[in-house]
Amino acid sequence: GAVVSQHPSWVICKSGTSVKIECRSLDFQATTMFWYRQFPKQSLMLMATSNEGSKATYEQGVEKDKFLINHASLTLSTLTVTSAHPEDSSFYICSASFRGSVTNEKLFFGSGTQLSVL
Amino acid sequence: DAKTTQPNSMESNEEEPVHLPCNHSTISGTDYIHWYRQLPSQGPEYVIHGLTSNVNNRMASLAIAEDRKSSTLILHRATLRDAAVYYCILRDVGTDKLIFGTGTRLQVFP
Repeated sequence: GAVVSQHPSWVICKSGTSVKIECRSLDFQATTMFWYRQFPKQSLMLMATSNEGSKATYEQGVEKDKFLINHASLTLSTLTVTSAHPEDSSFYICSASFRGSVTNEKLFFGSGTQLSVL
Repeated sequence: DAKTTQPNSMESNEEEPVHLPCNHSTISGTDYIHWYRQLPSQGPEYVIHGLTSNVNNRMASLAIAEDRKSSTLILHRATLRDAAVYYCILRDVGTDKLIFGTGTRLQVFP
C-alpha cells in the first residue's frame, strides 16, 4: 500500500531555534498534503492544507509565519516551525492524498514527529 | 463541516466482537463516512469508509443506518493490537481534508 514517510520521528530543540519536518509520499504523487498537530490525549487538529506548487491554506488560528509550509514537489512537503517555543511542543503529523483522487479515497498518514522545545 | 459524536471510551475482551457507534445526525447527502484509528505515538491508519451501503474489508465492517444519521464500526474479533483511538469522520465531497473529532478509545483486555 501507499506509504507516507515523515522525518524526523522526534526532535528536541532549544527555544528560539527553527525545526523542519519532512513528509514524503514514497510510491505515489501527492497533489495535496495536510499537516496536523496533536497535544497529549487530544485529537488531531488540522493546521494547514498544502498543494503542490502553490501557497498553503491555513486553518483559522494557525500562524502562517510561525508554521512555514513548502510543497515544492509532488512527493515532498515540509513544515518548518520557526522560532520554536515550549508551547509549540506537540506531535506533528502529515498526511497525503493521491493525485487525482476523488474525495471518497483514503488518506495516508505519516508516523508523526514528536517535537519537544526546551 | 458536519460533526460526529462518539463515546469517549469502550472496553472489550480479546476475541470478542466490538461495535463502535458513531452519530452524525447532520450528515449531508455527499458526505462519506470514514473510520481511522490511531495507535499510541503513531499517525492515524485508515480502517474503512462508506457512503450508503454496508462495507466489509479485512480489518472491519461498517454498518450504516438507512437514514445515514449513524453508523457502527464492527471489529469481528478484537485483538490486543486493536487497542487504539477510533475516529469516525465525515468527508465532504467538496474537500479532501479530514476533520477529526474526539474519537473512541478502545481498550482490549486479554
